[in-house]
Formats: sequence, C-alpha cells, structure tokens
Amino acid sequence: DAKTTQPNSMESNEEEPVHLPCNHSTISGTDYIHWYRQLPSQGPEYVIHGLTSNVNNRMASLAIAEDRKSSTLILHRATLRDAAVYYCIPRVYNQGGKLIFGQGTELSVKP
Amino acid sequence: GAGVSQSPRYKVAKRGQDVALRCDPISGHVSLFWYQQALGQGPEFLTYFQNEAQLDKSGLPSDRFFAERPEGSVSTLKIQRTQQEDSAVYLCASSKSGGTSRTDTQYFGPGTRLTVL
Repeated sequence: DAKTTQPNSMESNEEEPVHLPCNHSTISGTDYIHWYRQLPSQGPEYVIHGLTSNVNNRMASLAIAEDRKSSTLILHRATLRDAAVYYCIPRVYNQGGKLIFGQGTELSVKP
Repeated sequence: GAGVSQSPRYKVAKRGQDVALRCDPISGHVSLFWYQQALGQGPEFLTYFQNEAQLDKSGLPSDRFFAERPEGSVSTLKIQRTQQEDSAVYLCASSKSGGTSRTDTQYFGPGTRLTVL
C-alpha cells in the first residue's frame, strides 16, 4: 500500500487560506491522489482528486508536486464549516477500489 | 437527491448479542463498501460488493462479521456475539461504477454508532 504522511493537526483563522500538506513518496505513476474530509459526527465526503496537474473545483484546489511525491490541498478562504479531519488517500490500481485512510489532519478554524 | 442512508444511527448491544446494521446506497450505484471507524482513528475497510457479489472481504476482523447484498442494492452488516472491541462507527459508502476505478467518488452515509456494553 502507498503510505502517506500528514500533520496531525493544523489551525487556521476564518477567511484565510489554508494549505494542507501530504507526503506520498511511495505512490506509482498511475496512482491518483484523492482527498476526503470528515466533519464532526458525519461520514467522510469527497473533496477533490488529481493525477499530475493541479486541479480546482468549487470546494478546493489540489496542487501536486512535479515529482508527485507530495501534494497540497488548498482551501482558499477557510470558514468555520471547514473544520474537519482531512484525509489524503492514494488510489492504487490493484487496491480494488477500497479507500485506505490514514490518521488525517484535524483542521480547526478560529473565528 | 437522496444520499446514502444507514439505520439505525445508534445501537447499544449487550455483549454476546447479535446486531444487524442496514445500508441503503444511492440508487443505481454498483459498488458498496463497509468501513469500521474506532474512536479517534480513520475509517478502516471491511468489505466490498459489486452488485450482489462480495468481491473483497479481507477487512472483516473475524468470522463473527458477515455482510450481504442479496439484490444488489440494500446491504446488511451482521455482527454475531458482539464483543466490546466491536464498539465503533460503521460506515457504508457507495459508488457509481465498479470498485476498481481509481477516479470514482465514494459517497458515505452518516454511519451507525455501535456501543457494546
């Protein structure tokens, strides 16, 4: 399995940008990087995914390093509703579709 | 539209009792996954169905855990002779296509919190 390393926790102020890093140095060239988040007392929800180039959607941006050994999830303006645990998850071709969650990064947002 | 629903949301069982947890996936979704989440940990994979076929049950912790999806839609996770270490949140997720896709999104239900006394 591809291993990931994320900081245990991060803090942000409301309406400021947040950069959540993930190290995934063991992924292969065809593994996608997915990000999910889990708000308190809820199931995880999909945020974004990418392979090589940077990706944007209405929730966030994903910046993938050129060597693909790391990526950064960017929340452009954090809100109190963004307080959650964020998981970086490599999707490996022979993994059968299951998601392998690590510990994730617990993001707290201060008003 | 309707998302993934799970019932019950909370279940308290005495040690040794059998429990059944239900998952209603998004209509038409081919793949269904069960995960177990212990307090303070990330979810851990239990088992995966593609339609009615259980293709991966490598994460089931013991033979007391059994899952089925007989008609390829609703799924039930059954735990026999519950133990205290089974206390956790059980999450169900569904996705549109076959589970080997590396781009498919999984949609999660709110989970069932099981407490075994």
